[in-house]
Order: sequence, then structure tokens, then C-alpha cells
Amino acid sequence: ETGVTQSPTHLIKTRGQQVTLRCSSQSGHNTVSWYQQALGQGPQFIFQYYREEENGRGNFPPRFSGLQFPNYSSELNVNALELDDSALYLCASSLFSGGVGIFGPGTRLTVL
Amino acid sequence: QQQVKQSPQSLIVQKGGISIINCAYENTAFDYFPWYQQFPGKGPALLIAIRPDVSEKKEGRFTISFNKSAKQFSLHIMDSQPGDSATYFCAASRRGSQGNLIFGKGTKLSVKP
Repeated sequence: ETGVTQSPTHLIKTRGQQVTLRCSSQSGHNTVSWYQQALGQGPQFIFQYYREEENGRGNFPPRFSGLQFPNYSSELNVNALELDDSALYLCASSLFSGGVGIFGPGTRLTVL
Repeated sequence: QQQVKQSPQSLIVQKGGISIINCAYENTAFDYFPWYQQFPGKGPALLIAIRPDVSEKKEGRFTISFNKSAKQFSLHIMDSQPGDSATYFCAASRRGSQGNLIFGKGTKLSVKP
């Protein structure tokens, strides 16, 4: 097992820019969920991808979008960045049929 | 609306003591209750999880106690060690929706040697 990996580790952007974050799921897992964790807070669910389609979404605006690829890896895209988008972005992979979500180390995004 | 409320916000325990963190939930549709441990700069790591058909689950020094009627669950860390110093999150999810975890705000635990 390689675990869940995310790239990049850190990223600095300016307000209004766009960003793409990447996640490789754990071997054997077919579902990826993305979370936003603001400093000092618990992670908040953004959305989940299964079979390359969005399968559930939290309270995030449409400028947060994603993709899942045939190898189950995933991207999170955020357009028109705002200062409040500064956070640790986590992805978690799991089996759609159930089971534990395994989190990656996260990408720290800073918006200036 | 905060669906999972966690307390305390921070906790200081002496080495060898018992750390207790409490969570309460509102949605009776929740049926999966994990606890995660997070070290600075790292992603959350699953510690232990429980389903509402049991009242207690123990794994090593970690125990979850679950009270379905009160809609509360708690994490007990026995013989707490300095290496346990981290932030702990409780979470909950609905059946068939385990990828959508609702997290508490976290408890920062410091274990003093």
C-alpha cells in the first residue's frame, strides 16, 4: 500500500487566481473525498467523487470543482480564489461500498 | 448548524492519566462515528471507530463509549503518553455516505511528562 498522496505540499496564490490540487488514492480504493480544513477547525466536506462523477457535495460554491480519473486519482480546482480559501486541503480515499476513509497529508494553500 | 459538537477545546493531562474527549451529535441518521488524530502538518489518521449497535469499543489504550439515547460518544485514552499530544477530532457520517464525514472542531491534547 502506498497510501494517499497529495501534491503540491504547499502553494501560494493571489486573490482571483485559479488553483489545481492533486490526489492519488490508496491502492484498491475507488472513491475520493475532498475536505477543507481552516486553521484551528475540523475538516469540512467539499465533495466526493466515484466513477468519475461527483457523488455528494458540501456547502461550497460552484467555483470549487473536481475531477476523478480512470485510475481513481482526483483533482480539486478552485477558481477566483478568495482570501478565505486559505486552508489545508485534504483528500481521503475509500471504497464506495464502505470502509474507512484514509486521509492524505494535505496541501497547504495560502491566498494573498 | 453544527451537527457534531466536541468538547473540551483543549485538554492538559499528566503522563499516565486518562484523557477524555466528548462529542454530541444531532442527526439520528448518523451511523458511523470515527475518531481521528492529527499531528501538526499532517492529515488526520483514523484511531478508532464505532457503530451505534455497540456501546463500547476498545483498541489498545483507546476506548470509544457510545450512548445512542443521549446521542453522545466519547474517546478515552488510558495511560496517556507525551506522544499522544495531538489534536483529536470526532466525526460522524450517515449510512452509505461514509465519505462525507461531519467533523467536530477538535480537541488539542497536551500530555505533560
